[in-house]
Amino acid sequence: EAGVTQSPTHLIKTRGQQATLRCSPISGHTSVYWYQQALGLGLQFLLWYDEGEERNRGNFPPRFSGRQFPNYSSELNVNALELEDSALYLCASSLVRDRLNTEAFFGQGTRLTVV
Amino acid sequence: AQKVTQAQTEISVVEKEDVTLDCVYETRDTTYYLFWYKQPPSGELVFLIRRNSFDEQNEISGRYSWNFQKSTSSFNFTITASQVVDSAVYFCALSEETGGSYIPTFGRGTSLIVHP
Repeated sequence: EAGVTQSPTHLIKTRGQQATLRCSPISGHTSVYWYQQALGLGLQFLLWYDEGEERNRGNFPPRFSGRQFPNYSSELNVNALELEDSALYLCASSLVRDRLNTEAFFGQGTRLTVV
Repeated sequence: AQKVTQAQTEISVVEKEDVTLDCVYETRDTTYYLFWYKQPPSGELVFLIRRNSFDEQNEISGRYSWNFQKSTSSFNFTITASQVVDSAVYFCALSEETGGSYIPTFGRGTSLIVHP
């Protein structure tokens, strides 16, 4: 069974540009989470999607947005990139949203570098 | 307030030593889940264990063991006879119900370096 896959692996953008990161969850998983892991910091929660809808978002500005498609894959968009957006962006998926007995499985991440 | 605290930023040991990674959590919920993840240099977080709030039984899996104590709100992770391949960043996480959402909250991680 394929795990969570993210693309691209690496992404280099210029300040002010837009970045689009993609995530395919494990088959059957309906929830997708996005996290930002900046150097020296832990995982900061960005967004949670389930059944095609945004269910919650972390303390990030509106230029961080995303969506979830009917096949449960997800896209994270970062507009007006700033240097401090450089980080590893991790996507995770889990099976159901109304039970606490499921762990999140992570992809390998997208390393975004803003120059 | 930080919900998951991993006070040890970095631990350095020599191979075959035992090492314990500490995790202290904070929650008002009676139902919650705790997790440990391993992040090797490749970046992907690898799920290690899940423990629910109703089960305080300690668990052992090979060289890994976990000690969950609700009285002290701790969920510590011990690696016995550490190996170089154990070198990684380890994250403790808490999942609780908050307004209908179940979002894992992570600690800042503990970097474990195992020297040959």
